[in-house]
Amino acid sequence: TQLLEQSPQFLSIQEGENLTVYCNSSSVFSSLQWYRQEPGEGPVLLVTVVTGGEVKKLKRLTFQFGDARKDSSLHITAAQPGDTGLYLCAGDYGGSQGNLIFGKGTKLSVKP
Amino acid sequence: DTGVSQDPRHKITKRGQNVTFRCDPISEHNRLYWYRQTLGQGPEFLTYFQNEAQLEKSRLLSDRFSAERPKGSFSTLEIQRTEQGDSAMYLCASSLGGTLRLAGYTFGSGTRLTVV
Repeated sequence: TQLLEQSPQFLSIQEGENLTVYCNSSSVFSSLQWYRQEPGEGPVLLVTVVTGGEVKKLKRLTFQFGDARKDSSLHITAAQPGDTGLYLCAGDYGGSQGNLIFGKGTKLSVKP
Repeated sequence: DTGVSQDPRHKITKRGQNVTFRCDPISEHNRLYWYRQTLGQGPEFLTYFQNEAQLEKSRLLSDRFSAERPKGSFSTLEIQRTEQGDSAMYLCASSLGGTLRLAGYTFGSGTRLTVV
């Protein structure tokens, strides 16, 4: 069974603070995606990382894919209340499987 | 491109009733996925289609669940004899196929099912 573990599960911080969310697996991903989900809505794609060691930046968000392609992190600089939401990582194990496997998510709350 | 549409947005049903949900994917996407999400959890894969062919079904998908994508366009997910444990958000997503799926999935807003 391929499992994706995210940590922490919950994070409550003040506006302006930095934070990092982690996503780990014992299996190798062919690619990994990060999504953000707001209550009552579907997840929205933030980024896809494919190459081991890859770093991608999206404004104040920095995504890193581990060298061995088994783990990833999301770092947010100077968090804002608008960053509040559920952050999900999803692994694509490639091969004949067509589906993404999601972690349980990190619920982020940024207080003004 | 209007994104992925799901209908209805909310459904309340009595235990034992049948329910059917519809998903209209992005027209250029040949892959369509169904996921289920319960409170505090990430989405769990149920099944996916490539065009009209159902290529994979999760063990979560009991015999009471059936999905179709008759012409490779919209899809329906039917749950027969609903149980309280079926209460969840049912999410539909679509994507391009092959390595183009790395462009990511586009999710609909989901159908929130409550079984009373």
